[in-house]
Amino acid sequence: EVQVVESGGGLVQPGGSLRLSCVGSGFSFGSFWMTWVRQAPGKGLEWLATIKYDGSAKSYVDSVKGRFTVSRDNVKNSLFLEMNNLRGDDGGVYYCARIEQQVVHFYLAVWGKGTTVTVSS
Amino acid sequence: AIRMTQSPSSFSASTGDRVTITCRASQDISNYLAWYQQRPGKAPKVLIYAASTLQSGVPSRFSGSGSGTDFTLTISFLQSEDFATYYCQNYYSYPWTFGQGTRVEVK
Repeated sequence: EVQVVESGGGLVQPGGSLRLSCVGSGFSFGSFWMTWVRQAPGKGLEWLATIKYDGSAKSYVDSVKGRFTVSRDNVKNSLFLEMNNLRGDDGGVYYCARIEQQVVHFYLAVWGKGTTVTVSS
Repeated sequence: AIRMTQSPSSFSASTGDRVTITCRASQDISNYLAWYQQRPGKAPKVLIYAASTLQSGVPSRFSGSGSGTDFTLTISFLQSEDFATYYCQNYYSYPWTFGQGTRVEVK
């Protein structure tokens, strides 16, 4: 079964750090672009970051640039999101997703169930 | 960043209804648009990409159309499992952006 499973969420104080992980299984992890999307409580979806299959290219939304770092370990079939200097509005469910590429079209085809981050003192 | 605006934000419908959700991009994104469905407490699921291509396994009652700045998602015959929130997403350029969502509720 093709799946991705996130972990690492939890309660963290403002200004603190957290590292999220996402493990892929059932597919050749190193062949796919991967992405992180979050959803604040009761709100919509927000794209955060995308990383190329070999890790050679990364893109971020402005609100997390300089604070969050996306990385991957293709040997361990793992995707990471290092989050520093966390703020109250960083709280929510963080989803990892596998990107499907059809020629020039990229879409989020496989989603995990998400891991919850709460930023509070 | 390209802004994606969906309308309406929510509405009520009945099973069997034909429903249409619109999504407008703040600039031309050609057909670099995907639609997702999210049921309460669940992860999103892709329905359509390239504005009108149905993802494998998605029922044919779902269809998408549009190009440039204006797009629509149509559900031809609403089923009980279709009551959910729907999001459009632009992947024309970074940052990728989602619409604010359209919630389809039971009338």
